[in-house]
Amino acid sequence: DARVTQTPRHKVTEMGQEVTMRCQPILGHNTVFWYRQTMMQGLELLAYFRNRAPLDDSGMPKDRFSAEMPDATLATLKIQPSEPRDSAVYFCASGILSIGGRRTEAFFGQGTRLTVV
Amino acid sequence: KQEVTQIPAALSVPEGENLVLNCSFTDSAIYNLQWFRQDPGKGLTSLLLIQSSQREQTSGRLNASLDKSSGRSTLYIAASQPGDSATYLCAVMMNTGFQKLVFGTGTRLLVSP
Repeated sequence: DARVTQTPRHKVTEMGQEVTMRCQPILGHNTVFWYRQTMMQGLELLAYFRNRAPLDDSGMPKDRFSAEMPDATLATLKIQPSEPRDSAVYFCASGILSIGGRRTEAFFGQGTRLTVV
Repeated sequence: KQEVTQIPAALSVPEGENLVLNCSFTDSAIYNLQWFRQDPGKGLTSLLLIQSSQREQTSGRLNASLDKSSGRSTLYIAASQPGDSATYLCAVMMNTGFQKLVFGTGTRLLVSP
């Protein structure tokens, strides 16, 4: 049963601490997304990777957020330093973009619920 | 800038009713449209995917339609059940170089026994 796996599921941290969220995309998927969900803003795209290369991170606050894909099986989203306004659910999703341009549906992980106090 | 709107924001119906959830988008240059279900505290589960060239997709009691020219999609749920209670989100994938999904704000559905 292929699925996107995110860790941790829940994280409570103090303001100023570093937070790292991890995502294992579905094997064979070549695109990875990070989304943030809040009550006020709904779901917002933070970053997008294709074949491990970051193609769009315009939705991400650059001064404190960073996203990487060290290898095809791991994507990370890091916040340093964290602030209370970062409290949200962070979702990772993966999909396929084929050479011919065919795109599959996006499959989402269960999310990481982050609380910064 | 693409904007996706879902109406109604919340809906409460008795079990057994057929219901329609609406999704509208401002930019018709979409690649596909996806309907998701989200249970409280959970992730998103993909329900139906409609390619821009398609008019509708069906899965069990669910039927999604797409009218790209008018910027509208509907999700029809037949014979609703309490287990259908969740938030339903529609998302459009833009017809640009990458697969950005733009989400609506969702419709919170409650089906009472």
